[in-house]
Amino acid sequence: ETGVTQTPRHLVMGMTNKKSLKCEQHLGHNAMYWYKQSAKKPLELMFVYSLEERVENNSVPSRFSPECPNSSHLFLHLHTLQPEDSALYLCASSQVESRLAGGSEQYFGPGTRLTVT
Amino acid sequence: KNQVEQSPQSLIILEGKNCTLQCNYTVSPFSNLRWYKQDTGRGPVSLTIMTFSENTKSNGRYTATLDADTKQSSLHITASQLSDSASYICALAGSYQLTFGKGTKLSVIP
Repeated sequence: ETGVTQTPRHLVMGMTNKKSLKCEQHLGHNAMYWYKQSAKKPLELMFVYSLEERVENNSVPSRFSPECPNSSHLFLHLHTLQPEDSALYLCASSQVESRLAGGSEQYFGPGTRLTVT
Repeated sequence: KNQVEQSPQSLIILEGKNCTLQCNYTVSPFSNLRWYKQDTGRGPVSLTIMTFSENTKSNGRYTATLDADTKQSSLHITASQLSDSASYICALAGSYQLTFGKGTKLSVIP
């Protein structure tokens, strides 16, 4: 596997379920990101991890809980979601965190299409 | 109000034709401006990255321009192909994070 991979690619869950999204990067990068992409809206940054420490949490509801066990893996734990949380969730990685390098190139995974019923 | 506005929202062109997509921004300051291509159901892929001092950047049939005075950028696609059908997203790397536009959905038809 090369680049940034995400699993599952598609997920349907009820509002009372608990599920997790997984992201893995094979690029040797130090920073990882979670984005939410809703229809007809710009990508919204959710979380940033740099060297496995969370450096950004963009006022995301607590029903989304990120985890970064090492520099190659990133998880997004989901619980008691709402229908409006249905979206494409994208993971990205970069060599260094954006703020430090004036915008280091970010490489995106294919995303997880989440549907909350 | 979104600080990156893209137009048109969608565009349909015939295969082989050229097209130009627009991006107007108010983000300031910024370190670079990026254009991404996003195929349906996939993540964005970088096409070009320009610093504020660059006026133009090419990547094959894709040419991006930047006018820092008018705060406008454009992406010109030459001799379009069916595989160019995708959403094209403009983003600015500010001092804090990337700010994205909503994208232009391009459909290239035979």
